[in-house]
Amino acid sequence: AQTVTQSQPEMSVQEAETVTLSCTYDTSENNYYLFWYKQPPSRQMILVIRQEAYKQQNATENRFSVNFQKAAKSFSLKISDSQLGDTAMYFCAFIEETSGSRLTFGEGTQLTVNP
Amino acid sequence: DTEVTQTPKHLVMGMTNKKSLKCEQHMGHRAMYWYKQKAKKPPELMFVYSYEKLSINESVPSRFSPECPNSSLLNLHLHALQPEDSALYLCASSLGWGDKDEQYFGPGTRLTVT
Repeated sequence: AQTVTQSQPEMSVQEAETVTLSCTYDTSENNYYLFWYKQPPSRQMILVIRQEAYKQQNATENRFSVNFQKAAKSFSLKISDSQLGDTAMYFCAFIEETSGSRLTFGEGTQLTVNP
Repeated sequence: DTEVTQTPKHLVMGMTNKKSLKCEQHMGHRAMYWYKQKAKKPPELMFVYSYEKLSINESVPSRFSPECPNSSLLNLHLHALQPEDSALYLCASSLGWGDKDEQYFGPGTRLTVT
């Protein structure tokens, strides 16, 4: 069965610093789609960034970027210039080519940005 | 408009009550989802509707009954729930089942079963 592992249940970072959240996954498929979702306290889940496995270039979205290592099945999220509003639970997730649109989530990493 | 709305925001119900959760989107999405989320855990998929037809039921107990009256609306009817059903219920939508596109989530309904 496909799995997603986020090995850091909790992390903290000082405002304006950089933090990296780790994610590894397991799949036997060659094509799949990777996502990082953010769920702030008492607010709705939103997509942070998306990466297609067939693309070698790492996705970036403003202060958010990923380090996608396909051979290692690793998909880490880097947040630069952390802001207080980045405090949230971050879920790594992926969709396999043959799974329709079924999202497989990791257990999440609770990130706290301290002033 | 990239919004998924859910009502009510909070719901407290007894084990003998019947209630419904409502979800709405106007993005033209043809896939809609119900998830259950416990505190500090990832969402768990419950149901998927594709083009208003139930495509996936993740072995959810029959006390949860989904309904998709039209392409913009998704309901979850609740009856004879148990205290362990207390959770955040999330609705989501995407372009289509199989499109590998982003799922847009609603804010959720926080359900407490007493």
